[in-house]
Amino acid sequence: AQSVTQLGSHVSVSEGALVLLRCNYSSSVPPYLFWYVQYPNQGLQLLLKYTTGATLVKGINGFEAEFKKSETSFHLTKPSAHMSDAAEYFCAVRAGGTSYGKLTFGQGTILTVHP
Amino acid sequence: SQTIHQWPATLVQPVGSPLSLECTVEGTSNPNLYWYRQAAGRGLQLLFYSVGIGQISSEVPQNLSASRPQDRQFILSSKKLLLSDSGFYLCAWNGGDEAKNIQYFGAGTRLSVL
Repeated sequence: AQSVTQLGSHVSVSEGALVLLRCNYSSSVPPYLFWYVQYPNQGLQLLLKYTTGATLVKGINGFEAEFKKSETSFHLTKPSAHMSDAAEYFCAVRAGGTSYGKLTFGQGTILTVHP
Repeated sequence: SQTIHQWPATLVQPVGSPLSLECTVEGTSNPNLYWYRQAAGRGLQLLFYSVGIGQISSEVPQNLSASRPQDRQFILSSKKLLLSDSGFYLCAWNGGDEAKNIQYFGAGTRLSVL
């Protein structure tokens, strides 16, 4: 079984500051890892994903994440926050193989960006 | 390109009334389909998934049911709504080969049961 823990339900940063959203996972098989963003009253949009290969993955809107197997982490970062980054962010894990593509989501982190 | 549609966007229903939420996908065939519920501060909970017409798997016991009458249509239903059924319901699909398997989400339905 898989599980995801997002550390910090709320993160607040100043515009231009580093964004760091933490995600730790557990999985009994090599995982696929995802970060999604959700703006108010909208569906989820994929930011980036890790399946295999390079452990540092780049996504849309300047975000990136690094898969660290030894730490079972997949933290999301952005060097400089923008006001438009204010949203809720979800980390998700999926087991490879025959899992019918089911995702297990973390509880979400609400990012607030101050001017 | 593929698109996913959910409707209605917002719904207010009295306790005990029936429910039908619909989701359709365009531009793909034989997708896996999913229904999630999102309650405030509680992340996303997978309710049902389907890998083909008429095939429904339930992830949690609840007052809801799902059906897949056509390849690209997924319906979430209830005979009698409870207050606890309130939430934001999201439909999603995925398809493609294993390595590129990504879930794409609809815009969601905000359900308020009063």
